[in-house]
Amino acid sequence: TQLLEQSPQFLSIQEGENLTVYCNSSSVFSSLQWYRQEPGEGPVLLVTVVTGGEVKKLKRLTFQFGDARKDSSLHITAAQPGDTGLYLCAGTDMDSNYQLIWGAGTKLIIKP
Amino acid sequence: NAGVMQNPRHLVRRRGQEARLRCSPMKGHSHVYWYRQLPEEGLKFMVYLQKENIIDESGMPKERFSAEFPKEGPSILRIQQVVRGDSAAYFCASSQVTYEQYFGPGTRLTVT
Repeated sequence: TQLLEQSPQFLSIQEGENLTVYCNSSSVFSSLQWYRQEPGEGPVLLVTVVTGGEVKKLKRLTFQFGDARKDSSLHITAAQPGDTGLYLCAGTDMDSNYQLIWGAGTKLIIKP
Repeated sequence: NAGVMQNPRHLVRRRGQEARLRCSPMKGHSHVYWYRQLPEEGLKFMVYLQKENIIDESGMPKERFSAEFPKEGPSILRIQQVVRGDSAAYFCASSQVTYEQYFGPGTRLTVT
């Protein structure tokens, strides 16, 4: 059974600080997605990474896919209160290209 | 380009009634997925459909639950004879490529 371990589960930091969220697995994924979910809403897709070693930037957010495609990280520079939310990683099973394996989520709070 | 649309956003049903949840995928997307989310829990895969075909319904209870994605019109998730345990948020996602899934805002079903 594939698992995605996401850490930390909870993070509360001051505005302006940097942070990194990790998703790790012992399994290889064909792709990995990062989502952000607000209370009462559906997950919003932030990025998809497909190639080992790939780095994608979305304003102050930097996403990296590990060389072996077993892990990924999300780095936020100069966090703002608007970044507050639940961040989820989801990997695509190698055998089934649609089954998403979900991390447990990181609840991020940015204090002004 | 409108996102994934779901309606209703909130649905209240008495035990024994039927619940019908609708999902209109993003324009150009031919893959539809349904997920269930219980409070404080992750998303659980229910079913994957393409137009007029159920591809994978392994996550859907065999009884009382059914899903369709007709040639014309939205995808429908139907729950017959609802019970209190069916109360949850139901999310629909759509994709053009199977691993990059875009989620709708969800339907919150409450069974009284």
